[in-house]
Amino acid sequence: EAQVTQNPRYLITVTGKKLTVTCSQNMNHEYMSWYRQDPGLGLRQIYYSMNVEVTDKGDVPEGYKVSRKEKRNFPLILESPSPNQTSLYFCASSFLVRGTGELFFGEGSRLTVL
Amino acid sequence: AQTVTQSQPEMSVQEAETVTLSCTYDTSESDYYLFWYKQPPSRQMILVIRQEAYKQQNATENRFSVNFQKAAKSFSLKISDSQLGDAAMYFCAYRSANTGTASKLTFGTGTRLQVTL
Repeated sequence: EAQVTQNPRYLITVTGKKLTVTCSQNMNHEYMSWYRQDPGLGLRQIYYSMNVEVTDKGDVPEGYKVSRKEKRNFPLILESPSPNQTSLYFCASSFLVRGTGELFFGEGSRLTVL
Repeated sequence: AQTVTQSQPEMSVQEAETVTLSCTYDTSESDYYLFWYKQPPSRQMILVIRQEAYKQQNATENRFSVNFQKAAKSFSLKISDSQLGDAAMYFCAYRSANTGTASKLTFGTGTRLQVTL
């Protein structure tokens, strides 16, 4: 089954404790991206990757890191989480050169930073 | 930069009735995609319908259809014969069709649709 898998789905952590949210897709997509969703703001892009070893900042990259060592994986790293990073996070992927532009989303990761 | 505006934070419709959700966008590009995504309480992002800008014909998917007005930069979603399961947050989104600038999906702030009996 074609899917984007994120883990963990729920996480409560404390300020300053490093954490990683994993994302994996099995559709051989070149493009992967992370979004955060906050009430009244819609979804905003954090980082994206056009292919392996190619990453770039989105609209709200502060406090986050990413890496793209393999085509299927795109982890999101919070080196020192702060309460303002409490949010719902989505990983998404798509084809770039072919396809219809549609993004396929993971099920979301609800993060709470105390 | 592209922007997407959904001016209706909340809408309500009676079961079996029709409702239209509004979306406008701003872009200088001519080739792009527009989407409506549905987010039910499960939080999953589900693609409802997609429109390619070069196509003049409005997209339809069963009870869902769009009114795409390229010159006016408007992309509204019509839900016919509304069902309780249609209750969700709906997001309008834009993406460039040019590989070099297709770096993100730009979302509106969403419209929460309530379906009543």
